[in-house]
Amino acid sequence: GENVEQHPSTLSVQEGDSAVIKCTYSDSASNYFPWYKQELGKRPQLIIDIRSNVGEKKDQRIAVTLNKTAKHFSLHITETQPEDSAVYFCAAKNSGGYQKVTFGTGTKLQVIP
Amino acid sequence: KAGVTQTPRYLIKTRGQQVTLSCSPISGHRSVSWYQQTPGQGLQFLFEYFSETQRNKGNFPGRFSGRQFSNSRSEMNVSTLELGDSALYLCASSLVGSLNTEAFFGQGTRLTVV
Repeated sequence: GENVEQHPSTLSVQEGDSAVIKCTYSDSASNYFPWYKQELGKRPQLIIDIRSNVGEKKDQRIAVTLNKTAKHFSLHITETQPEDSAVYFCAAKNSGGYQKVTFGTGTKLQVIP
Repeated sequence: KAGVTQTPRYLIKTRGQQVTLSCSPISGHRSVSWYQQTPGQGLQFLFEYFSETQRNKGNFPGRFSGRQFSNSRSEMNVSTLELGDSALYLCASSLVGSLNTEAFFGQGTRLTVV
């Protein structure tokens, strides 16, 4: 089955700096890659996603890149702000009939004011 | 429209007991997935239901089971509870077969086994 690895597990950055979280996946049939943000005590919420026919997607300060050949994708947050502090999960969803979603283990991002 | 609703929000049980958690998906969503979240373990996939059928199952013992009703509401049952079952249990619903494959999470049920 699919295996998604996520690094780093924790990340501390100064406010205004950039943060990068990387994920790798194993199933070449995966074609949808969402990123979720989970603030303390709250539910995970989708912040950005990318499909396998796209190499990069950007939404204001957040961007995601996908390298299908290497089977890895990354989340980039620029000009970080304290409210970006949260746990971020990457995920991969396959294109088969069951469309199972596999999550990474999460990255705890701390933005230091 | 209403989001994903999970009940109860908090639950305390003793070892050996069984528990049933409920998840009501967003109206129109037919896929419901369940996850266990513990510190350091991230989101562990339990199972997914679609049209009352279990389509996928994660690597959890048979004590963990679930079902889905005709209105897409889903329940998860854990029998013979162990201390290690203490966790936040999240369900997520999504449209299947649609270009929009985003999963929407509920607030979760915090289960504490003592």
